[in-house]
Amino acid sequence: KQEVTQIPAALSVPEGENLVLNCSFTDSAIYNLQWFRQDPGKGLTSLLLIQSSQREQTSGRLNASLDKSSGRSTLYIAASQPGDSATYLCAKYNNNDMRFGAGTRLTVKP
Amino acid sequence: KAGVTQTPRYLIKTRGQQVTLSCSPISGHRSVSWYQQTPGQGLQFLFEYFSETQRNKGNFPGRFSGRQFSNSRSEMNVSTLELGDSALYLCASSWNPFAGGTDTQYFGPGTRLTVL
Repeated sequence: KQEVTQIPAALSVPEGENLVLNCSFTDSAIYNLQWFRQDPGKGLTSLLLIQSSQREQTSGRLNASLDKSSGRSTLYIAASQPGDSATYLCAKYNNNDMRFGAGTRLTVKP
Repeated sequence: KAGVTQTPRYLIKTRGQQVTLSCSPISGHRSVSWYQQTPGQGLQFLFEYFSETQRNKGNFPGRFSGRQFSNSRSEMNVSTLELGDSALYLCASSWNPFAGGTDTQYFGPGTRLTVL
């Protein structure tokens, strides 16, 4: 059973668009939620970490929100650039257990 | 500061063999976690070591084992390899993520294991 779901699985947008990636989780018990970026054949790069007591975190053009009651997190990317093309994964952490979503593969076309 | 390093980067083995992968964490980080990433199952947690002790373990068979040395470097071993063990194995380090979950994990580039 997939505990962490990411929608859409793939997304292609023209450069400059604002976009939202979604992450939902079935178990509302959560200590923190983390968003990562993964380039092809590479490891993960942490983008943002939201503690359960927080509602959002921002870093540059990225903004991540967390709604524990609905079991959702979103990653907002403003003014997308071709260099943003990658797979974005969310991971839910609780009780010494980290569960990842399958990721959203983002392509930003110049 | 140097990032997390993993060796080797690529490995080809045959069924039944065993393999050892190595991970050197960021200097000062005491926790090392291992993950398996496959197209079918996605990213799955294997285990986490802190101060040379396995603190957490995912749902993997006993063929998967690991250890951590006093300098925080970690090794992961897979015995009796199966075709399904072909995957990207990632390690991540942090100061201490599983004692509060407040620390960001930093990932290495991974070791691509192919089992023939």
